[in-house]
Amino acid sequence: DIQLTQSPSFLSASVGDRVTITCRASQGISSYLAWYQQKPGKAPKLLIYAASTLQSGVPSRFSGSGSGTEFTLTISSLQPEDFATYYCQQLNSYPPTFGQGTKVEIK
Amino acid sequence: EVQLVESGGGLVQPGGSLRLSCAASGFTFSSYAMHWVRQAPGKGLEYVSAISSNGGSTYYANSVKGRFTISRDNSKNTLYLQMGSLRAEDMAVYYCARKNMTTHDAFDIWGQGTMVTVSS
Repeated sequence: DIQLTQSPSFLSASVGDRVTITCRASQGISSYLAWYQQKPGKAPKLLIYAASTLQSGVPSRFSGSGSGTEFTLTISSLQPEDFATYYCQQLNSYPPTFGQGTKVEIK
Repeated sequence: EVQLVESGGGLVQPGGSLRLSCAASGFTFSSYAMHWVRQAPGKGLEYVSAISSNGGSTYYANSVKGRFTISRDNSKNTLYLQMGSLRAEDMAVYYCARKNMTTHDAFDIWGQGTMVTVSS
């Protein structure tokens, strides 16, 4: 199975901050990477697919980049509604594994 | 509205069985592969199982292989997960999700989840 390692696992930030989360894959996955946002008690929500394509309806302050084994999710200016846990997922091969998550909390 | 609604969760004793359902609406269910993902309390997302659009192909995570069976009824727009020989470590919220080729196979629609509690 392909392992995904997210860093950091936890980050504390303020409204307006630029935030970057990294996801590293144990082997190359081309651009078959997605990012999800999950709020407490809710289902995950797709933010970005194909490493850098914004899902319809997702604010443009979210962006993704990378290919191969290293990927990043960036929030250009953190908003109050962005405090949540973020997961990466690889879709290159089965099983479509998830990273362990990055919890973004208010400083 | 495109949506998935899970049901069937509840309390079950270790070794017991449970069947989860996921009712789809607002899209052509038979055109999409479907998946189950679970989340233990306070933990991350864990992939469970997949089924192709026509039900002809299935996949199971090693942790549930031989105990869980995924199936679908395209005439009823419903996905199922039959769970058997349940263990404490199977306790989780179970989500069904739609895989979409137009989103590079990412899971673009998720249900609200159904909680499975395994306890004596």
